[in-house]
This record gives sequence, C-alpha cells and structure tokens, in this order.
Amino acid sequence: EAGVAQSPRYKIIEKRQSVAFWCNPISGHATLYWYQQILGQGPKLLIQFQNNGVVDDSQLPKDRFSAERLKGVDSTLKIQPAKLEDSAVYLCASSSDWGGNEQFFGPGTRLTVL
Amino acid sequence: QKEVEQNSGPLSVPEGAIASLNCTYSDRGSQSFFWYRQYSGKSPELIMSIYSNGDKEDGRFTAQLNKASQYVSLLIRDSQPSDSATYLCAVLPGYSSASKIIFGSGTRLSIRP
Repeated sequence: EAGVAQSPRYKIIEKRQSVAFWCNPISGHATLYWYQQILGQGPKLLIQFQNNGVVDDSQLPKDRFSAERLKGVDSTLKIQPAKLEDSAVYLCASSSDWGGNEQFFGPGTRLTVL
Repeated sequence: QKEVEQNSGPLSVPEGAIASLNCTYSDRGSQSFFWYRQYSGKSPELIMSIYSNGDKEDGRFTAQLNKASQYVSLLIRDSQPSDSATYLCAVLPGYSSASKIIFGSGTRLSIRP
C-alpha cells in the first residue's frame, strides 16, 4: 500500500512570495489533514477535510493560507504572501475516518522563508 | 483552550532500562489518546493508541491511561538506542467529526549505550 505522498520535499522562498504544497493521501482515506510543525513544537492542525468538505479550519490563517481538496482525493495548500514565521515543516496526513483511527503522515515539506 | 502538556526533555535513559514518558491533558471529555514517535527530520508515526482506563501493552511498549487524573503515559521496556526520538502525545477531545486531534510538544528521549 502506497503511503501519503507530498511534494516538494523542500522549498526556499523569499517573504511575500507565494508557495504551494501538494498531498496525495492513502487510497481510500476519506480524511485528510494539513499540519504545520515549527521546530521544537508538536504538529498544529491547519485544516481537516472529510472527503472534499472542510471539517475544521479554525487554526488556518485565512488571510494568507488557503487549501482545497477537489474531488475528495489529493489536496493543495497555498501560502500567499509568505511571512518569515511561516518557516516550518508542513505535514499532510490521512486516515480512514475522522475519528480515533491512526493518522498516516507523509514525509512533509520543509519551507524556509528568507 | 484545550491543551496537551509534555515535558520537553531531553530524557536520558541507559540502554536496557525502562523509559517513562508522561502527558497530561486539559479536556476531561477526551476519548482517544495516541503516542507518536518522530525521528529527527522525519514525520510522526503512530506507536500506540489507547481509549479506556488501564494499561495496553504492545511488545516493549505499554500505554497507561488514567482519565480521572487526566494523564496518559508511555513506558518503553528494555530501551534500545533506536528508541532515541521525540515522542508526541496526541489527544482527540471527542467523538464528533468536529473534534480535532491536539498534539503535545513532544518529549525528546535519548538512550545512552
């Protein structure tokens, strides 16, 4: 079974530029999560999709971050414009449902904003 | 604000000893509890989940849950150098689809030979 795929693995941009990350969850997983993990901290949930609907985006900075999951499969997270404090690892995870089942994480995208 | 608290460490344990990692949470209604292991530069991977009070054992790992005291712990027996990693405690506050999992900041564990 293929795992969660993410690209790119690394990205370096200057502040005020835009960037997009892509995630393909495990086949058949209805729930997809985007997390932000700053060095030394635990992952912070940015947005949670159930199929192609948003379940929770309460911690997503909507003035600069956007995400979509068209057709309920893969997803894109965008930052525009980026700030220095957005430097972090962006993790995508999926699970077979919203609840207590295991979340499988992708390898992450390490973003550096200069 | 629902919180999950962990001692950041580092926790240094000699090889072969028992490593004990602790986590407390603020939401008394929390229902599902997870321990993830994260190696440096890698993504988290689930090692234990626990849903009811008591102990749950899986190989060298034992998760312990005490809902009355609002803490969950992870014991690693016969610690190996490969156990050196950051251990993240995660809590799911409820059963509804609106519940979102909350991660602690993690405890860094170092197993010394």
